[in-house]
Amino acid sequence: EAQLVESGGDLVQPGGSLRLSCAAAGFSFGATYMAWVRQAPGKGLEWVANLGPGGGPTYYADSVKGRFTISRDNAKSSLYLQVNSLRVEDTAVYYCARDPPRGGAYFDLWGQGTLVTVS
Amino acid sequence: AVQLTQSPSSLSASVGDTVSISCRASQDIGGALAWYQQTPGKPPNLLIYDASNLEGGVPSRFSGSGSGTDFTLTISSLQPEDFTTYYCEQFANYPLTFGGGTKVEI
Repeated sequence: EAQLVESGGDLVQPGGSLRLSCAAAGFSFGATYMAWVRQAPGKGLEWVANLGPGGGPTYYADSVKGRFTISRDNAKSSLYLQVNSLRVEDTAVYYCARDPPRGGAYFDLWGQGTLVTVS
Repeated sequence: AVQLTQSPSSLSASVGDTVSISCRASQDIGGALAWYQQTPGKPPNLLIYDASNLEGGVPSRFSGSGSGTDFTLTISSLQPEDFTTYYCEQFANYPLTFGGGTKVEI
């Protein structure tokens, strides 16, 4: 069964950094576009970043460009999000999500999320 | 960036009702729209992709329609588990964007 499991969320002070991880299993990770999507407490969904199968291309939301970096290790079936210069408004549950193998930048598989609190 | 406006932001209905949720794009996105359902404390679940294609395993009471700038999610014969929040997403252009959500309440 395909699954995604995030980790790395924590309580961090403004200006701090974290590295979020997403472990994938049950599908051809190395052939799939992957993404991070976040959701602030009680708010809607916000796309953060996308990454192609071979490590590129990368796409970022303007709100995180220059502060966040998406990357992957296909040998470990893992996706990462390095989050730097954190702001209070970055507080959210961060979801790892998969673009469908058939193509299209929407998300057919989601992890349970990891909470980042900036305070 | 393409802005998506969902309406209404909330609606009240009863089990067995049919409801429709609108998603309007600020520019033509063709058919590049998806719909998700999200229950509290859970990740979103894909319902519809390419505006009108039902994702595998999703009940047939869910349907999507529209193209260009105007899209609709219709839920026929509401079931108790359908009373939750729904989001649209456009994937025609980066940055990807989501609508603000529609909460369906009993």
